[in-house]
Amino acid sequence: AQSVAQPEDQVNVAEGNPLTVKCTYSVSGNPYLFWYVQYPNRGLQFLLKYITGDNLVKGSYGFEAEFNKSQTSFHLKKPSALVSDSALYFCAVTLTGANNLFFGTGTRLTVIP
Amino acid sequence: DARVTQTPRHKVTEMGQEVTMRCQPILGHNTVFWYRQTMMQGLELLAYFRNRAPLDDSGMPKDRFSAEMPDATLATLKIQPSEPRDSAVYFCASAREASYNEQFFGPGTRLTVL
Repeated sequence: AQSVAQPEDQVNVAEGNPLTVKCTYSVSGNPYLFWYVQYPNRGLQFLLKYITGDNLVKGSYGFEAEFNKSQTSFHLKKPSALVSDSALYFCAVTLTGANNLFFGTGTRLTVIP
Repeated sequence: DARVTQTPRHKVTEMGQEVTMRCQPILGHNTVFWYRQTMMQGLELLAYFRNRAPLDDSGMPKDRFSAEMPDATLATLKIQPSEPRDSAVYFCASAREASYNEQFFGPGTRLTVL
């Protein structure tokens, strides 16, 4: 069975500081991993994904994530947070040949001015 | 700028009424998903289609929910009869076939059942 855990419901960070939103996964096989962001009253937007290759993936708006197979993690990071980064972030996982994504419960990021 | 569209954006109805939500996937995307989002349950997958055929609808309450794709440009989600517990935001998403392709989400339909 596939699953994703986002251990923090809420993350607060000061503007300009680095941010990390955590995600761990559990799959029986090689995962495809995704991060999505949801702004208020909007649908989810794709940020980045890991399929294969370089463990460090760069995505939209200056975000990046590192795939760590030994720790089964795919944490989302950004070197310097902006107030406009405040949103709900979802991690998701799937497998080769699978038809759907398994989403985490979401982490609400608040960047404090 | 291709995007998924959903109508209506907001719907308020009374318990027992039929509700129909519509989704237009991005042209060329052959996989369509329906999700429901609530504060309590988070994001739940209700059903999904590939090439208009339903692949999985195990997330839907079968007695009152139904999902169809009459053609490649339209997906519908119906609730009949609606209940207050159905109040949620319903999202449609589309993607190209292959599990490594990202999903594109519509803006959602906010349903309130009184």
